[in-house]
Amino acid sequence: GQNIDQPTEMTATEGAIVQINCTYQTSGFNGLFWYQQHAGEAPTFLSYNVLDGLEEKGRFSSFLSRSKGYSYLLLKELQMKDSASYLCAAMDSNYQLIWGAGTKLIIKP
Amino acid sequence: DTAVSQTPKYLVTQMGNDKSIKCEQNLGHDTMYWYKQDSKKFLKIMFSYNNKELIINETVPNRFSPKSPDKAHLNLHINSLELGDSAVYFCASSQDLREYQETQYFGPGTRLLVL
Repeated sequence: GQNIDQPTEMTATEGAIVQINCTYQTSGFNGLFWYQQHAGEAPTFLSYNVLDGLEEKGRFSSFLSRSKGYSYLLLKELQMKDSASYLCAAMDSNYQLIWGAGTKLIIKP
Repeated sequence: DTAVSQTPKYLVTQMGNDKSIKCEQNLGHDTMYWYKQDSKKFLKIMFSYNNKELIINETVPNRFSPKSPDKAHLNLHINSLELGDSAVYFCASSQDLREYQETQYFGPGTRLLVL
């Protein structure tokens, strides 16, 4: 079956760095997405990886290892506004997004 | 300007009623989606439409029916509402389902509560 695993909740300190991991199992693979969802709001796109390696975009970076079925989202210089859920989603061979349940990130001062 | 809009934002109704949720996108995208996000926060794809053609139809109850009058609109009609239908329903759009790098843009969500 198809499955996405990510931690349910993480806590980090303002100004610090946090890494949110995601493992996936899909029928075929057409890329890995990360979305941010603030409470009561819609998911918004953060990053997309389809090749192995690290993609850096400002304070956020995303890494992919296709052989390991593994990705992580790295958030640097954490700010209070980064408190949100981070959703990992893998696209299968039918171009369908398989979503994880999200990791709730709590930032403390 | 709102890219993907949904109405209503909140919907409270009784079991057994029929209701519709509307979605519109002004991005010129070819593909639109309906997702259900339950209390455990899983996003589950329900339907997607590409150029008015249904191309993904997950095993959702046939009480749910998508209707697309044109490629900018994908409405969701629900018959005989049940308690388990309570959830947040998100509409989304992307340029082309088969272009794998295409980002999906989400509407603000419709919070449905069935009493």
